[in-house]
Amino acid sequence: ETGVTQTPRHLVMGMTNKKSLKCEQHLGHNAMYWYKQSAKKPLELMFVYNFKEQTENNSVPSRFSPECPNSSHLFLHLHTLQPEDSALYLCASSQLTSGEIYNEQFFGPGTRLTVL
Amino acid sequence: AQTVTQSQPEMSVQEAETVTLSCTYDTSENNYYLFWYKQPPSRQMILVIRQEAYKQQNATENRFSVNFQKAAKSFSLKISDSQLGDTAMYFCAFMKPDNYGQNFVFGPGTRLSVLP
Repeated sequence: ETGVTQTPRHLVMGMTNKKSLKCEQHLGHNAMYWYKQSAKKPLELMFVYNFKEQTENNSVPSRFSPECPNSSHLFLHLHTLQPEDSALYLCASSQLTSGEIYNEQFFGPGTRLTVL
Repeated sequence: AQTVTQSQPEMSVQEAETVTLSCTYDTSENNYYLFWYKQPPSRQMILVIRQEAYKQQNATENRFSVNFQKAAKSFSLKISDSQLGDTAMYFCAFMKPDNYGQNFVFGPGTRLSVLP
């Protein structure tokens, strides 16, 4: 596969369940991101991993726990979620270079999460 | 903190006609990037066009062009000769790159429907 892939594409879970979202990038990038996309709200950046080190955590509740075992894989572990956590969760990756150089973020197809 | 506003939640255009999507942003930064991303129904988000703030010339990619007004903090997207495949959510985004990650700030999106 090419680009950024995410599994599962759809997930329905109860508030007491524990599940994980997986993201894999096949682009050789060194940075990966988790975003939350809710209806009628802007995309929200949740976590940033730069060279496998978490560098950003935008006040995300602890019921979301990211894991980046290597530069190609990113997980989002979910536990005791709330119905308002239902959203599309997007993963992205990019290649960071030194200084203020831009490189495009590539997005995965997302995981549609429904919390009952 | 940067903010991005898209004042048109929904728009429609007839096939082959031209449409302009609006975007304004707020920042105190001088060097940054602006983007338009497209998210077709049930498909991945892809980059449409980008603009570096230090460039005065407006970016163009085939049928897509922008009108970048730095002083007014405005960044509109013009789609010429609209095609049915242009139907999608369009997100305007701001990015100030740094060594830790490329933190994008997205607008709420404009849902564009191209009518046959």
